[in-house]
Formats: sequence, C-alpha cells, structure tokens
Amino acid sequence: DAGVIQSPRHEVTEMGQEVTLRCKPISGHDYLFWYRQTMMRGLELLIYFNNNVPIDDSGMPEDRFSAKMPNASFSTLKIQPSEPRDSAVYFCASSPKTGVEKLFFGSGTQLSVL
Amino acid sequence: DAKTTQPTSMDCAEGRAANLPCNHSTISGNEYVYWYRQIHSQGPQYIIHGLKNNETNEMASLIITEDRKSSTLILPHATLRDTAVYYCIVRVAPLYSGGGADGLTFGKGTHLIIQP
Repeated sequence: DAGVIQSPRHEVTEMGQEVTLRCKPISGHDYLFWYRQTMMRGLELLIYFNNNVPIDDSGMPEDRFSAKMPNASFSTLKIQPSEPRDSAVYFCASSPKTGVEKLFFGSGTQLSVL
Repeated sequence: DAKTTQPTSMDCAEGRAANLPCNHSTISGNEYVYWYRQIHSQGPQYIIHGLKNNETNEMASLIITEDRKSSTLILPHATLRDTAVYYCIVRVAPLYSGGGADGLTFGKGTHLIIQP
C-alpha cells in the first residue's frame, strides 16, 4: 500500500491566489482528516469526513477555506484567497473504521504564501 | 478529553531504552491512551495505544499505571532514527463516542533526542 498521498509536496504562491491541496487516502479507509501545523499553534484539526461526508468543519479557520471529498479516493482543501498567515504544513490523514483512532498521515504539503 | 502533561524534551543515549512519561490524572474509564510520533519533516506516525493493560508491539511498549493516571512509552533500544516529537493523547474510544472516529487533538509532545 502506498499510504496517504498528498500533492503538491511544496507550494509557493502569492497573497490573493487560490491554492488547492490534494489528498488520496488509503484504499478502504472510511475517515479522512485535514490538519494544519504551524510552530505557533502546533497540529490543528481542520475538518474530517466519514464516507465522503463532511462531519465536523469547526476547525476550519474561516470562509476562505473549503474542503471537498467527491469520492472515496480523493479530497481537496482549497484556500481562496490565500493570505501569508495561511503559510503552514497541511497534512491529510485517513483512518479505517475500527474501535480506536489509528490515523495514517501523508507527508504533508508545505505551503508558503508570500 | 482528559488533559495530558509531557516533558518538553528528553535525551537518551543510542542503544539504551528511552522511557517517555505522560501524566493524565483526569482520565476517565472509557478513554484510551494513544502515542504518536513525528519525525522531522514527516507526518505523525501511530505507535501504540492502550486502555488499561500494558501493550507491546514491534515499535514500543506502553506501560499504564494501575490507577491509569499516568503512562510510559518505552522504546527498548533507541536508535538515531527515533529522534522525534512524541505525542501522548487521551481520547474516548470511538466505540463509546457514537461509533465514529473524530480525530485526535495533538498537544506539544516531548522532543526526544537520541544521542550517538
């Protein structure tokens, strides 16, 4: 299994531009999570999906952020318009439906907004 | 979820056992203890979890005190590649929270540095 795959690995953009981050979860996993990591705030849960349905988006910082999961093998996190304070590493994770929370994380997308 | 307390950083000599403590004095009966680690520039990695019994897998051992108010993650023979931030997380099992996972809250963790 290739694990959780995220793209791009690095993204540099200018303030005001739209940014789309992509994630392919592990096949057969029911849950998909988007996290953001900064030095100041650590790892923050932004949103998660169960069977492609968004369950909790209370961690999404503001309306500029949106996430979709059109099918079981693909999810996107979009920022429009981007701002310098959005610079962070964004991780996607997936999890099977078991009795415990065993998350498998991707390698992350390093986003820099200039 | 119960709050956890971990030392900010620890050192350990290569080849020795690394013992990482975690305090979770307000843990409730249906909360699991999870350990994850994050190696520099990588995503967090699941290590082990437990409810009340000690657990062991190919990566580590988890020792939970009888009163469940603290636990210790043990890496039996630390290598340089074990240098990472180790997170102790306490969370109600999805089985008890409605059957579904809803993510984990990561604190600041312990930065473990393995010295050659």
